[in-house]
Amino acid sequence: NAGVTQTPKFQVLKTGQSMTLQCAQDMNHEYMSWYRQDPGMGLRLIHYSVGAGITDQGEVPNGYNVSRSTTEDFPLRLLSAAPSQTSVYFCASSYGVVGGYEQFFGPGTRLTVL
Amino acid sequence: DQQVKQNSPSLSVQEGRISILNCDYTNSMFDYFLWYKKYPAEGPTFLISISSIKDKNEDGRFTVFLNKSAKHLSLHIVPSQPGDSAVYFCAASGGTNFGNEKLTFGTGTRLTIIP
Repeated sequence: NAGVTQTPKFQVLKTGQSMTLQCAQDMNHEYMSWYRQDPGMGLRLIHYSVGAGITDQGEVPNGYNVSRSTTEDFPLRLLSAAPSQTSVYFCASSYGVVGGYEQFFGPGTRLTVL
Repeated sequence: DQQVKQNSPSLSVQEGRISILNCDYTNSMFDYFLWYKKYPAEGPTFLISISSIKDKNEDGRFTVFLNKSAKHLSLHIVPSQPGDSAVYFCAASGGTNFGNEKLTFGTGTRLTIIP
């Protein structure tokens, strides 16, 4: 199993550009989520999904969109990039309540917005 | 409002000694707590967890203690090894209902083990 994979590893955008961060998992996990990590802030939840077709907002959802058309994939879209979105983004997945709360994280995408 | 707090940004411990990392929380609805370990340029990896019905959970060199009345938990690493040098995040989850799997993280403590 590859676990949780994220692409790209690094990305530089100009203000106003849009892009999609890809996340995929091959563990048949129902629960998937996106976090951003900023210095001194820990990891903050952006959006999450409890299954295909179901998504909800986390703590810092503004400026981001998600969709979950399959169990495996959970892309994160930046609609119009802003310098405040410069961060490291982590995707995570887990079985959910039934299987426990332990979430498996991808390696991260480091995004810089100029 | 930081619901999960790790007040020590960094900690240095001699190899072989005990490392104690602390975490405080404010939300009394949290009932499941986890510790994650993170190396540079990698995603966090799960280390150990504890349910609110317990006050201690042990896994090899790692033990987590939970004091519900004080809303405080701690991670003990004994003995500390150089490979334990990493950033440690405390995280909490708020309930056993479907959809409550989302985690609230603390800001992390950077642990450095001195050889």
